[in-house]
Amino acid sequence: DARVTQTPRHKVTEMGQEVTMRCQPILGHNTVFWYRQTMMQGLELLAYFRNRAPLDDSGMPKDRFSAEMPDATLATLKIQPSEPRDSAVYFCASGLRAEQFFGPGTRLTVL
Amino acid sequence: GIQVEQSPPDLILQEGANSTLRCNFSDSVNNLQWFHQNPWGQLINLFYIPSGTKQNGRLSATTVATERYSLLYISSSQTTDSGVYFCAVVDGTSYGKLTFGQGTILTVHP
Repeated sequence: DARVTQTPRHKVTEMGQEVTMRCQPILGHNTVFWYRQTMMQGLELLAYFRNRAPLDDSGMPKDRFSAEMPDATLATLKIQPSEPRDSAVYFCASGLRAEQFFGPGTRLTVL
Repeated sequence: GIQVEQSPPDLILQEGANSTLRCNFSDSVNNLQWFHQNPWGQLINLFYIPSGTKQNGRLSATTVATERYSLLYISSSQTTDSGVYFCAVVDGTSYGKLTFGQGTILTVHP
């Protein structure tokens, strides 16, 4: 049963700390997306990769967020330094054609 | 950018009832997906349906792309159907970015 996996599932950290979230896309998928879900903003796109190349990260605060795909089986989203307003659920999604499949999310709480 | 509006925002049903959820979008789309976010927060793919009609068990969906709307039908609802239903679209100017509606919160009582 192919699925997107994300680690950690939950993260509690203090303001100013670095946070790294990881995603393993479905094997063979060539697109990877990072979305963030908050009560106020709903679900919004942060970054997008196709064939490991970043195509759009306009949704990310550039000064503190970075997204990479070191290889085809791993995508990372880093926040440094983290702030309380970054508290949210971060979802990774992958796809081969048009349909996207979501991972279980990382629930981040920044105190 | 494209606007996605879902209605109703909230829906409360008794088990066994039928319901229709609506998704309106403001521009032509290349992709439309319906998701169910369960009480544990997981986003479950229900349908990939940029046009036409599909059925999966008690659920079915119809997208009329020329009129810019999609409908999700839930028949004989069960308590496990509770959660938030999202419609998400990719417009013609985008590369694959999903724009989500605000969701319909469905509560099914036994």
